[in-house]
Amino acid sequence: ETGVTQTPRHLVMGMTNKKSLKCEQHLGHNAMYWYKQSAKKPLELMFVYNFKEQTENNSVPSRFSPECPNSSHLFLHLHTLQPEDSALYLCASSQADSLTWETQYFGPGTRLLVL
Amino acid sequence: DQQVKQNSPSLSVQEGRISILNCDYTNSMFDYFLWYKKYPAEGPTFLISISSIKDKNEDGRFTVFLNKSAKHLSLHIVPSQPGDSAVYFCAAIPTGGGADGLTFGKGTHLIIQP
Repeated sequence: ETGVTQTPRHLVMGMTNKKSLKCEQHLGHNAMYWYKQSAKKPLELMFVYNFKEQTENNSVPSRFSPECPNSSHLFLHLHTLQPEDSALYLCASSQADSLTWETQYFGPGTRLLVL
Repeated sequence: DQQVKQNSPSLSVQEGRISILNCDYTNSMFDYFLWYKKYPAEGPTFLISISSIKDKNEDGRFTVFLNKSAKHLSLHIVPSQPGDSAVYFCAAIPTGGGADGLTFGKGTHLIIQP
């Protein structure tokens, strides 16, 4: 399997549930990202992992908890979410190299609905 | 405050004509720009990019123009085809690149009419 995969593709959860989103990249990249896309808003960067270490957290609420066990896998653990967290969550990966420009490759996203 | 702006939420163009998608940015530290294309139920896919040392980059039917003084870039698609109907996102990277995430615009929904 190639590219960036995300599971599940769709998720419906209650506000008291705990769930996890999974992302896997088969491109040999060393940086992975979580983005959130809400209706009528730009893609929002949530987390960046570079060489498995988190380098950026754009003031994301603690009910979102990322985990990067290795450079190929990235998780987003969800707990006690709010209805306004309903959105498309996109994972991306890239080869991070300060000497070269990069492009990010995106997964298909997980459509999350919080009831 | 939005640093990358796509002021047209949607654009309708007749098949065979030129599609022009616009993007403005405010952060003068941005110096690498990318366009992504997104179909429903899929993640964005990279389309074309341009570095600030250039003012034009062409790839087949797609050309991106950059006007640094105006902090403006545009994507031209010619001729437009039905398969070009999608949401197009403009994105930017600041000087130094690195592993920081891209800053995206809200996207423009391009509709190609037969």
